[in-house]
Parts: sequence; C-alpha cells; structure tokens
Amino acid sequence: QKEVEQDPGPLSVPEGAIVSLNCTYSNSAFQYFMWYRQYSRKGPELLMYTYSSGNKEDGRFTAQVDKSSKYISLFIRDSQPSDSATYLCAGWVRCFGAGTRLTVKP
Amino acid sequence: NAGVTQTPKFQVLKTGQSMTLQCAQDMNHNSMYWYRQDPGMGLRLIYYSASEGTTDKGEVPNGYNVSRLNKREFSLRLESAAPSQTSVYFCASSEAWGQGADTQYFGPGTRLTVL
Repeated sequence: QKEVEQDPGPLSVPEGAIVSLNCTYSNSAFQYFMWYRQYSRKGPELLMYTYSSGNKEDGRFTAQVDKSSKYISLFIRDSQPSDSATYLCAGWVRCFGAGTRLTVKP
Repeated sequence: NAGVTQTPKFQVLKTGQSMTLQCAQDMNHNSMYWYRQDPGMGLRLIYYSASEGTTDKGEVPNGYNVSRLNKREFSLRLESAAPSQTSVYFCASSEAWGQGADTQYFGPGTRLTVL
C-alpha cells in the first residue's frame, strides 16, 4: 500500500465549478504536504504546500490538511479551462499520490 | 535560469541496450532526484542524492545506477534496458533534503521506449 493514496479520476467539471481533490496518507511522520500540477507532457510544478494541519489559501486555490483523519484536500474555486491538468499530492520523503486528472469544460 | 534540464527528450532502445539520461540544474540546489512516471502509478522515486557526493536508493532502484557528477549534474544509467523500463523519467532538484526544505523543481522529462 502506498503511503499516499489519491483517486486518479478522471474528474470533469464545467467552467466556474468548485473542484475538490483529495488524498489520504498513512505515515504519521509527514508534516509537510504539497500539491503539484502537471500539464500534459510536462513536468510537475509546485502549486502549494502546507505545514501540519490547517488551511492555506492562494488566489483561487486552498489547500487543507486534517492530520486527525490523515486527509489532504485541494479546492479550486471558479475553475477555468486552464486548470485542466493532473494534480498530484505529496507527503515528505517524496511520497506522491498517483495524481487526479482534471478537465474543466468551457 | 533554465531550472532543471534533461537530455534527451525522447529515446527508443532495444532490449539489452544501455543508455544514460542526463540532468542538470542551475539553482544551486543540494539535493537531486530521479523518478519514473507510469500510468496509474504516479511518480516513483528511483534514486536520490541528498547532497553532492552521496546517492541512495529510492522505491524502485533495480535496473538503474546513478552518478552525482558534481553539484549541478545527476545522471541515470540503464545498463541493460528491459521493456518494463518503458516510462517517462523525471529529474528533480530541491534546496536541501528534509521536511520543509524539499520543495522540488522538475525537469521536462525523458520519454523512453524499450522495444
């Protein structure tokens, strides 16, 4: 079992929708959590990172960590077609989820 | 700054052939990594170098070797390629090794096909 589990989707939403992407993790030692965005045929790029529990907001993106349930979430408000990509969550020691493929339709 | 660069971008090998994937970063990062990405499997760590002069195995090291040539460069070698090594390979670097310091920057990837 991977230390970080992520539903691979795919997920398709209309433009303007609120998107919720989720991961679970099993290693209690994880303190930092990251979300990467990967466009087709490109390398992943860091979108956000959070420390321990709580929320972190950056524009239309909010990252949330619930350490009690070992749950990581990324919310995208007012989703745009340009948000169409694969989103990967990661915990420390370079443990990546499988990635969720998101399509935002105009 | 170019960030993380990888060569080649594409490669086709026959079973048993060898090749080296090259990676370089210009961000003065201490740590470098090699991943492979397969459909449904996400990114899996092959090898990493926490600092110049050190290398360690990751999750899937079998069939691969690495060399940390200097602080900038980290190469991945396939000694005898197998079809199971068909994948997209990503190199990444981070400022340091350790929680909170290991935000990684990725290269554009090398698409490798082994026939």
